[in-house]
Amino acid sequence: DAGITQSPRYKITETGRQVTLMCHQTWSHSYMFWYRQDLGHGLRLIYYSAAADITDKGEVPDGYVVSRSKTENFPLTLESATRSQTSVYFCASSERADQGTQYFGPGTRLTVL
Amino acid sequence: GENVEQHPSTLSVQEGDSAVIKCTYSDSASNYFPWYKQELGKRPQLIIDIRSNVGEKKDQRIAVTLNKTAKHFSLHITETQPEDSAVYFCAARSGATNKLIFGTGTLLAVQP
Repeated sequence: DAGITQSPRYKITETGRQVTLMCHQTWSHSYMFWYRQDLGHGLRLIYYSAAADITDKGEVPDGYVVSRSKTENFPLTLESATRSQTSVYFCASSERADQGTQYFGPGTRLTVL
Repeated sequence: GENVEQHPSTLSVQEGDSAVIKCTYSDSASNYFPWYKQELGKRPQLIIDIRSNVGEKKDQRIAVTLNKTAKHFSLHITETQPEDSAVYFCAARSGATNKLIFGTGTLLAVQP
């Protein structure tokens, strides 16, 4: 579990500000994912990446931007934060497409005022 | 679109009793079904998983069963203990991608 980290762990920001959440993994996993967790909705996929420079939308991508210039990093940016983006954000990684098992980071609790 | 339904949303059992959580999925091409346990304030952690070519898998007190025809799978916890109290999530992997679709979670409370 120590192989995947997120920063910051807690963040308070204001509506309209840009926020970037960082995710770093040391396993050289090909796949990385961003989820948001809200009460009553479980874990919803925002974006995912199959490899460096390859990203794709998940279930709830609006308002978010991702990039993956290096295999180990997968930052998530909220370009103009809204109150509805207040949530707990989890990053995850998976070694191969056929393996399936995803390992989660510790999460970032984001509050948008 | 792809969907996973999970029931019940809350479950309270006495210590030592069994607990069963059920999930149904919509994508018939789904081929991998993990279960995650999430303790309060912690990250989801994989506790058991099953692939579409297997009907049942056990690991000590936990087991998962899969019925591909009916498109449902279940988590069984026997001899429950207070430390089993947590939120449990089921998920199904899309047959076409490596994306997991999660259920909405079950809050399990084991009463001592």
